[in-house]
Amino acid sequence: EPEVTQTPSHQVTQMGQEVILRCVPISNHLYFYWYRQILGQKVEFLVSFYNNEISEKSEIFDDQFSVERPDGSNFTLKIRSTKLEDSAMYFCASSTRDRGDEQFFGPGTRLTVL
Amino acid sequence: AQSVTQLGSHVSVSEGALVLLRCNYSSSVPPYLFWYVQYPNQGLQLLLKYTSAATLVKGINGFEAEFKKSETSFHLTKPSAHMSDAAEYFCAVTLKAAGNKLTFGGGTRVLVKP
Repeated sequence: EPEVTQTPSHQVTQMGQEVILRCVPISNHLYFYWYRQILGQKVEFLVSFYNNEISEKSEIFDDQFSVERPDGSNFTLKIRSTKLEDSAMYFCASSTRDRGDEQFFGPGTRLTVL
Repeated sequence: AQSVTQLGSHVSVSEGALVLLRCNYSSSVPPYLFWYVQYPNQGLQLLLKYTSAATLVKGINGFEAEFKKSETSFHLTKPSAHMSDAAEYFCAVTLKAAGNKLTFGGGTRVLVKP
């Protein structure tokens, strides 16, 4: 069964460093998403991506964040200069279309900023 | 704007007993509603979704949920709990008039006692 994969599963970084979280969405999906979950808090939407551009982003997704689909398979989230409060579980998701279609989630990357 | 409230962050049930997880939503336009389950160290998996067809929705693993517009609720039930149902459950909403951003509730962790 097709699945969304994410690497790495854990990432530890120093404050101020850049990190790139990688995702491989399901191959025939067209819509891609990033969510995050700070420990003990709700899962929060960060950004959605379609046709090589951002279709929607939250207030959390400021200039420190960027997304890219560098090739036909990977979807990345970059944090340019990490802060302590960026420590969270980051989930990638994909769907075939929008407006009520199921989003398939990856297992997540746990980011720890020291 | 949309929001989701899940009543009870932890629920404990005996094996074989009814599982009832409560979800109330707030939205200004007709919603799509979802229940996701997260097992330890795994991503979010869709249990079921409501997209304006039948108000009683059946999902995987014996779960079902009923959409009640008058009560703005989408409670999740399973008649007989199994040990394998121990997990965290998330209710989520997205709006038909907007993009596919999921707004999640806080989650309910289910413990099943033998």
